[in-house]
Amino acid sequence: GNSVTQMEGPVTLSEEAFLTINCTYTATGYPSLFWYVQYPGEGLQLLLKATKADDKGSNKGFEATYRKETTSFHLEKGSVQVSDSAVYFCARAHEGYQKVTFGTGTKLQVIP
Amino acid sequence: DGGITQSPKYLFRKEGQNVTLSCEQNLNHDAMYWYRQDPGQGLRLIYYSQIVNDFQKGDIAEGYSVSREKKESFPLTVTSAQKNPTAFYLCASSFRTWEGNQPQHFGDGTRLSIL
Repeated sequence: GNSVTQMEGPVTLSEEAFLTINCTYTATGYPSLFWYVQYPGEGLQLLLKATKADDKGSNKGFEATYRKETTSFHLEKGSVQVSDSAVYFCARAHEGYQKVTFGTGTKLQVIP
Repeated sequence: DGGITQSPKYLFRKEGQNVTLSCEQNLNHDAMYWYRQDPGQGLRLIYYSQIVNDFQKGDIAEGYSVSREKKESFPLTVTSAQKNPTAFYLCASSFRTWEGNQPQHFGDGTRLSIL
């Protein structure tokens, strides 16, 4: 089936460390891929997206590249801040349907 | 400013009672969604609607019902048949495209608890 697998958290990093959160997907075709972020007590916000192979989505210093050959969409940031502490969700669209499958989320904690 | 509004923020249900969660959007989105979020399980789709007067079951529709009488509104009723309703409920909306490449916009959620 169509699914999204994220690395389990929590991930704890010191401020200014490099961040990678792995995400892989199973699919046929070329689904659009997304990263969302959720701060405590809030809904999800779109962080970035990519709609075709080799696209790179970027926002607020975060980046992710759509890798068709490895079916991956890993999230990276070169230097994390305490304010980046949140839960990050990888997601994929379903062509022909208005549905999205979300990963289970990865909690990131950045300590000063 | 356009957005999506969920109310109430906190809701308590007694045993055997139905409760309705409100979701309103002014983004002119065609599609709307309801998700349930439990710790460690990510988001699970309850119901979604692609157009007014039409909706489809998601992965965990049992014990829930919805209506879509207006484009702006997609209320969710948690019925007494839902035996474990304690969770964080999120409503979302998006534009419709065949590719599904439009992001979803989320409300701030309703936390439902059992008394």
